[in-house]
Amino acid sequence: DIVMTQSPDSLAVSLGEKVTITCKPSESIYFGPSKRDLLAWYQQKSGQPPKLLVYWASTRESGVPDRFSGSGSGTDFSLTISALQAEDVAVYYCQQYFSLPLTFGQGTRLEIK
Amino acid sequence: QVQVVQSGAEVRKPGASVKVSCRPSGYTFASQDLNWVRQAPGQGLEWVGWVNPNNGDAGSAEKFQGRVTLTADIAVDTAYMELFGLTSEDTATYYCVRGRRSGRYYYLDSWGQGTLVTVSS
Repeated sequence: DIVMTQSPDSLAVSLGEKVTITCKPSESIYFGPSKRDLLAWYQQKSGQPPKLLVYWASTRESGVPDRFSGSGSGTDFSLTISALQAEDVAVYYCQQYFSLPLTFGQGTRLEIK
Repeated sequence: QVQVVQSGAEVRKPGASVKVSCRPSGYTFASQDLNWVRQAPGQGLEWVGWVNPNNGDAGSAEKFQGRVTLTADIAVDTAYMELFGLTSEDTATYYCVRGRRSGRYYYLDSWGQGTLVTVSS
């Protein structure tokens, strides 16, 4: 199984500041035939199901604000929020879809400082 | 707009089984695989398995093999997850999620509201 390791486990950031969450798969999730990394990011607010933010490591899902961006390749990925808004308080998860079982990072809890 | 509606909360005793249903709408049911993901209270996300509504093919994570049955009925556009031999460790919210196949497998683009399964004596 591919182990997904996120860091940090939690962080508190001031409104308007930049946030970066990292995700490291235990092996490469680069899919050569499509020249893409098979990584997604999700946001889960309290009491709600997760919501897809980013797929293919860097493609924003329709309707997701452009302050959210994904980057990285191979075994190093990150999710960045360019300017934190109050509504961004949530737990964020990365997920690989290169192999089964699908696996998720342990989650990063984001709070307002 | 895609919506995924799941059945309501369940309480079971240890050793029992539970069957959760999931009815997506807003797209052709048979055209996309459905996945099941669970989340124990206060914990992270764990993938359970997938089902192809078009041909009935299904698979699950190794830890659930022999203990879970994933099915889909295209006549009623409904998918089912049945979990047997419940223990307290199966207490969790179970999500039904549409998988958008990309590359090799799925990212998960439309999530149900979740079904809380509580296992308690």
